[in-house]
Amino acid sequence: DQQVKQNSPSLSVQEGRISILNCDYTNSMFDYFLWYKKYPAEGPTFLISISSIKDKNEDGRFTVFLNKSAKHLSLHIVPSQPGDSAVYFCAASVLDFGNEKLTFGTGTRLTIIP
Amino acid sequence: ETGVTQTPRHLVMGMTNKKSLKCEQHLGHNAMYWYKQSAKKPLELMFVYNFKEQTENNSVPSRFSPECPNSSHLFLHLHTLQPEDSALYLCASSHDRSSQAFFGQGTRLTVV
Repeated sequence: DQQVKQNSPSLSVQEGRISILNCDYTNSMFDYFLWYKKYPAEGPTFLISISSIKDKNEDGRFTVFLNKSAKHLSLHIVPSQPGDSAVYFCAASVLDFGNEKLTFGTGTRLTIIP
Repeated sequence: ETGVTQTPRHLVMGMTNKKSLKCEQHLGHNAMYWYKQSAKKPLELMFVYNFKEQTENNSVPSRFSPECPNSSHLFLHLHTLQPEDSALYLCASSHDRSSQAFFGQGTRLTVV
């Protein structure tokens, strides 16, 4: 049973427009959420995160929104740039006796069209 | 460049071969991880080492054998793998078990 779901395997967005990537989770114990970005032939790199006590976190062109009641988070990229083309992984974390347990989604491949 | 280096980047091995994947970090991190990424599946945590001690083994078959000789190095020894073990194997490290993980570039493994 997947606790973190990214239902869109791929997304294409025109350069300059907004990209919205979605993620749903089922475990209400998750208290920290992260987005990772992965280019081909590279490992995932951390992009942005949000604590469960917040509903929004912004870092430059990237904003993550958290809706705890809906168990949903989204990543907004605006304006989208060609270099944003990558696979984006949503991850959810819970601290288990001081140990972080990360659960990943399956990823969404974002393609920015010039 | 995240400071976590994995070798080799690509590996093709037969089902009777023995090979090892290597991960190295000089970030001063105390926790190291092996993850498996199969096509269309989430990243799956395989093993966790904290201060060189294995603290998690997520029901990984014994044909995968991890080794952590020191806090900077992590190995994954492979023996009699199956074609379904073909995947991207990612190493990660973090300062401690509650800190953000940094990933290596991965080893693309193909079992023939």
